[in-house]
Amino acid sequence: AQTVTQSQPEMSVQEAETVTLSCTYDTSESDYYLFWYKQPPSRQMILVIRQEAYKQQNATENRFSVNFQKAAKSFSLKISDSQLGDAAMYFCAYRSTTSGTYKYIFGTGTRLKVLA
Amino acid sequence: DVKVTQSSRYLVKRTGEKVFLECVQDMDHENMFWYRQDPGLGLRLIYFSYDVKMKEKGDIPEGYSVSREKKERFSLILESASTNQTSMYLCASRADRPGGYTFGSGTRLTVV
Repeated sequence: AQTVTQSQPEMSVQEAETVTLSCTYDTSESDYYLFWYKQPPSRQMILVIRQEAYKQQNATENRFSVNFQKAAKSFSLKISDSQLGDAAMYFCAYRSTTSGTYKYIFGTGTRLKVLA
Repeated sequence: DVKVTQSSRYLVKRTGEKVFLECVQDMDHENMFWYRQDPGLGLRLIYFSYDVKMKEKGDIPEGYSVSREKKERFSLILESASTNQTSMYLCASRADRPGGYTFGSGTRLTVV
């Protein structure tokens, strides 16, 4: 069975600085999707970024980028130029591409604090 | 703007009550999911549905049931609420193609 591990329960970053959130996963599959979700205090989970395992190029969305290391089964999220609005819980998630597999597996989350 | 709407933001129920949590999506998505979120445990899948009247157990289905009579609505039912079901409940939907979830805003349920 697949697992997702986020080893940092809480992180802090100074406004305008860069922070990296860690995520590792375990799977025997060769093709899958990985996601980072953000949950602000309003509670609505928002998709931040997505990576297909067959793509070697790291995904980027504005200030958010990932470092995808397939062999190491690592999928970290880098937030550049951190803003106060980035403060939230961040969840890493895995999804199989196997037909009929609909569910995602989530990590336990990392709470990011942004210091003014 | 696409939406997943959960009918209640906060609920307080008594032990033994039958509880209904409602979720409605307006995106014509095939797949819908119920998760519970607890500190230190992340999100755990309770049930999901990939079509009307179809349902599959997730990782923690005990004490819960679901209903999907229409494509847009997916209900989570606590047959006899217990204090260990106090939690945040998140509904999500997804189209039947590669892509991320769209989540609702969550229902914080307290069972006293």
